[in-house]
Amino acid sequence: GNSVTQMEGPVTLSEEAFLTINCTYTATGYPSLFWYVQYPGEGLQLLLKATKADDKGSNKGFEATYRKETTSFHLEKGSVQVSDSAVYFCALSAPFAGGTSYGKLTFGQGTILTVHP
Amino acid sequence: DVKVTQSSRYLVKRTGEKVFLECVQDMDHENMFWYRQDPGLGLRLIYFSYDVKMKEKGDIPEGYSVSREKKERFSLILESASTNQTSMYLCASSSPGTGDWQYFGPGTRLTVT
Repeated sequence: GNSVTQMEGPVTLSEEAFLTINCTYTATGYPSLFWYVQYPGEGLQLLLKATKADDKGSNKGFEATYRKETTSFHLEKGSVQVSDSAVYFCALSAPFAGGTSYGKLTFGQGTILTVHP
Repeated sequence: DVKVTQSSRYLVKRTGEKVFLECVQDMDHENMFWYRQDPGLGLRLIYFSYDVKMKEKGDIPEGYSVSREKKERFSLILESASTNQTSMYLCASSSPGTGDWQYFGPGTRLTVT
């Protein structure tokens, strides 16, 4: 079946540090890949997405590249801010064999990021 | 602005009670989902629905049921709440036209005592 593995957290950084959160996946077919962010006390928001190999998703200074050869979708940001403190989830959507996925997503376990001033 | 709303942000119930969690979306989405979120486990899919009156089990349906009588509303029911159902419950919706991009509600933190 489909699965997503994220690097273990929590991750603690100083403001302006470089961020990488690793994400690897297992899926049949050609999945779409997503990063979601959850700020304290809120639901999840889509941060960025990529739908095919070598696509790069980007938003709010965050980037991730769909690497089919390494089945990875690592999240990066060059200079984090205190306001980036949140939980980050990697997810994939893959069609079932012979049918549609009905939009089902498979999520990783989440990585807690804390950024200090 | 698009919206997914959940009936309660915080809920405290007793063991054995029947619990209803309501979710409403205003985007005319076909697909709706219920997840539970627990530390270290990420989001786990309980049930989903791809059309009115249609429902499919997710990864952890035991102890839960759902109802979708109208397109915009998807209810999660705990028939007899137990302490191991204490969790954060998240509702989401999507449409085939959005490329599986799910919109999430703010969540309901349920405590069963």
